[in-house]
Amino acid sequence: NAGVTQTPKFRVLKTGQSMTLLCAQDMNHEYMYWYRQDPGMGLRLIHYSVGEGTTAKGEVPDGYNVSRLKKQNFLLGLESAAPSQTSVYFCASSYQGLLTYQETQYFGPGTRLLVL
Amino acid sequence: AQSVAQPEDQVNVAEGNPLTVKCTYSVSGNPYLFWYVQYPNRGLQFLLKYITGDNLVKGSYGFEAEFNKSQTSFHLKKPSALVSDSALYFCAVKTGANNLFFGTGTRLTVIP
Repeated sequence: NAGVTQTPKFRVLKTGQSMTLLCAQDMNHEYMYWYRQDPGMGLRLIHYSVGEGTTAKGEVPDGYNVSRLKKQNFLLGLESAAPSQTSVYFCASSYQGLLTYQETQYFGPGTRLLVL
Repeated sequence: AQSVAQPEDQVNVAEGNPLTVKCTYSVSGNPYLFWYVQYPNRGLQFLLKYITGDNLVKGSYGFEAEFNKSQTSFHLKKPSALVSDSALYFCAVKTGANNLFFGTGTRLTVIP
């Protein structure tokens, strides 16, 4: 049981380049999330998904797109990277239990992205 | 709108002493409160949560947190700090179905 995994671990991009970050979970969780972590700002939600084929915007969605074609995978795309997107990106997943607000989120190890 | 405040960027404590990491929150409705810990170059790990019931919540690695509704606080505590507790600690609050709002984090350093 690997939990939540993320690839790649580190990436350097030039401004304007595109890339996709992959998140995978083997816990059969319904919900998946993408966050970014910046110094002094905690974690901010970019996009999330409540199930296969569904996505929704979080707090800071601009400049990112996501897809959830399979239940276990959640992809985060940057179509045209900007220096402001330099950050550490974390994926998380959670089980949608009977009581809606009680699930705990499980986090991946993170992807460090540097945009030059 | 919901928010979480961690008033201390840095907390230093001597090994063996009790530690407290502070968290206050502002939400409309009942709060669901969480503490996560982040070790260097790692993702966040769940420590404990308060949903309802007893105001004192016990979690992993000997940590506990006390929910205080009148003071809108959810401070993290441990009776005796270990050097291995040194990490970044995040408080988070959840009121909607899908949004977890994080504080800015408190770096705990336990001095040998």
